[in-house]
Amino acid sequence: NAGVTQTPKFQVLKTGQSMTLQCAQDMNHNSMYWYRQDPGMGLRLIYYSASEGTTDKGEVPNGYNVSRLNKREFSLRLESAAPSQTSVYFCASSATGNTEAFFGQGTRLTVV
Amino acid sequence: QKEVEQNSGPLSVPEGAIASLNCTYSDRVSQSFFWYRQYSGKSPELIMSIYSNGDKEDGRFTAQLNKASQYVSLLIRDSQPSDSATYLCAVKYGGSQGNLIFGKGTKLSVKP
Repeated sequence: NAGVTQTPKFQVLKTGQSMTLQCAQDMNHNSMYWYRQDPGMGLRLIYYSASEGTTDKGEVPNGYNVSRLNKREFSLRLESAAPSQTSVYFCASSATGNTEAFFGQGTRLTVV
Repeated sequence: QKEVEQNSGPLSVPEGAIASLNCTYSDRVSQSFFWYRQYSGKSPELIMSIYSNGDKEDGRFTAQLNKASQYVSLLIRDSQPSDSATYLCAVKYGGSQGNLIFGKGTKLSVKP
């Protein structure tokens, strides 16, 4: 049982380049989340999806877009990367209801 | 503004002591509260969830919830060096399909 799988694990981008971070879960969860984690800032919510076909902005959505491709997959896209987007990105998923979220292993992104 | 506040620490305790971690939250209607542990360079992992007022015990861990005071705490008894990590408090806002907001985390160091 893989749980939540993120790809890639590491990425270096040049300013202005675009990329998509992929996330897939095999736990049949309805809700999925994208967070970024910066030193001293904790986990900040970028976007979340309560169910297939719906997405909502979190605390720091600027510069990002998301797609809930199907129930399993939730991707995060950076259209024009900026050094301020250098961070560790985590995808998570949870079942419907007041249940805990499970995290992927993270993607360490550096924008130079 | 949905907020989850934690003391950033670091909190240093001797081996065998009780570590006490605290968290406050801003939304009175929140129903779900979680404590995650995160080792350096790793993804967060759930250690406790609590949904009703009072105490919930699991091994050496006890979570305490006081909804009237909007306060959640985590006690770690008989602290071990392996407990040294950052502890993240998380609150689910917006009901069962809402989003999960994290505090900035408290770094705990257990000294042998």
